[in-house]
Amino acid sequence: GQNIDQPTEMTATEGAIVQINCTYQTSGFNGLFWYQQHAGEAPTFLSYNVLDGLEEKGRFSSFLSRSKGYSYLLLKELQMKDSASYLCGPMDSNYQLIWGAGTKLIIKP
Amino acid sequence: GAVVSQHPSRVICKSGTSVKIECRSLDFQATTMFWYRQFPKKSLMLMATSNEGSKATYEQGVEKDKFLINHASLTLSTLTVTSAHPEDSSFYICSARGASGSAGPQETQYFGPGTRLLVL
Repeated sequence: GQNIDQPTEMTATEGAIVQINCTYQTSGFNGLFWYQQHAGEAPTFLSYNVLDGLEEKGRFSSFLSRSKGYSYLLLKELQMKDSASYLCGPMDSNYQLIWGAGTKLIIKP
Repeated sequence: GAVVSQHPSRVICKSGTSVKIECRSLDFQATTMFWYRQFPKKSLMLMATSNEGSKATYEQGVEKDKFLINHASLTLSTLTVTSAHPEDSSFYICSARGASGSAGPQETQYFGPGTRLLVL
């Protein structure tokens, strides 16, 4: 079966760094997406990894290890506006996005 | 680039009526559009996938006669909730895929802002 595992909730302090982990099992693999979703809003695209390694984009970086079925999203210099849910979404062999339940990130001053 | 609009953003209707939700890709041609629903604090649940000019593919457990999807063009898909009941109240979100040259790869799904449906 297909399965996504990420923590339900994390708390971090403004200005700090947080790493949100995601492990996955899918039928085939065509890359992995990270999306950000603020409460009551639709998800917005953050990053895409298809090869192993780290992709850096400003304060956000995403890492992928295909052999381990593992990815993480790294957020640096946390701001209050980063409080949101972060969705890990690998794409299976049919290019269908498999959604996890998301990690709710709470930023405290 | 890769902007998706959804209309209406919020709708309240009486039980038994039908509601149509529109999803438009504003600056790209969407080869595929997706319809999701999401309950509070729950993950996105894919309802159906539609390709322009062909019938939608519904996920298991989703009633195709109740949730009518029409993907009439490369920029427009509609979801009609027929004979709506209170249990259909939810957050409905569409996404579109097919934007080349945007921030992500062509497989990236770009989401509309969502439609909050309340059935009384």
